[in-house]
Amino acid sequence: KAGVTQTPRYLIKTRGQQVTLSCSPISGHRSVSWYQQTPGQGLQFLFEYFSETQRNKGNFPGRFSGRQFSNSRSEMNVSTLELGDSALYLCASSLPRLAGVNEQYFGPGTRLTVT
Amino acid sequence: TQLLEQSPQFLSIQEGENLTVYCNSSSVFSSLQWYRQEPGEGPVLLVTVVTGGEVKKLKRLTFQFGDARKDSSLHITAAQPGDTGLYLCAGARGNYGQNFVFGPGTRLSVLP
Repeated sequence: KAGVTQTPRYLIKTRGQQVTLSCSPISGHRSVSWYQQTPGQGLQFLFEYFSETQRNKGNFPGRFSGRQFSNSRSEMNVSTLELGDSALYLCASSLPRLAGVNEQYFGPGTRLTVT
Repeated sequence: TQLLEQSPQFLSIQEGENLTVYCNSSSVFSSLQWYRQEPGEGPVLLVTVVTGGEVKKLKRLTFQFGDARKDSSLHITAAQPGDTGLYLCAGARGNYGQNFVFGPGTRLSVLP
């Protein structure tokens, strides 16, 4: 079974631009979560989508948004990029196996550099 | 304030040594997961622990979930250079255990 894929793997943008990142979950997984990882803050939760609906949201400004499609693929968008948005953006998909137990499987990430 | 604390932050040991890393919180989690992450890659799931007091073994790695489901430990026996990486713990919250909180990680370096 193919793992979580993310595209692109690397991206360089300039301040003020916007960017869209894509994530394809493991086949059959319906929940997709997005995280931002930086050396100073570690892994921080952005949002989670389940069946095309945003179910949870982290503490990030409205410049960060996302969506999920009917095939469970997800995109996240960052508008008006700032230097501080440089990070590894990780996508994770999950499928509940037992009541209340979720296991997340991560993609390789998209390394975004804002100059 | 971190919801999940991990210690130590950094650890450098020689091949063959044993080590234990800790993940602590004041919150109760429905489950807890351990991941290992290598530079430039996404975290790879190692184990999920669910029941208080649960112990799971994965070859040379032993994971324990605290009785109160607030803390966990990872013990590695006879560490090898291939164990090098960032070890992350993540606690699951929410009605369906879908809300994950990550610790800051323990960066382990095993020298040959």
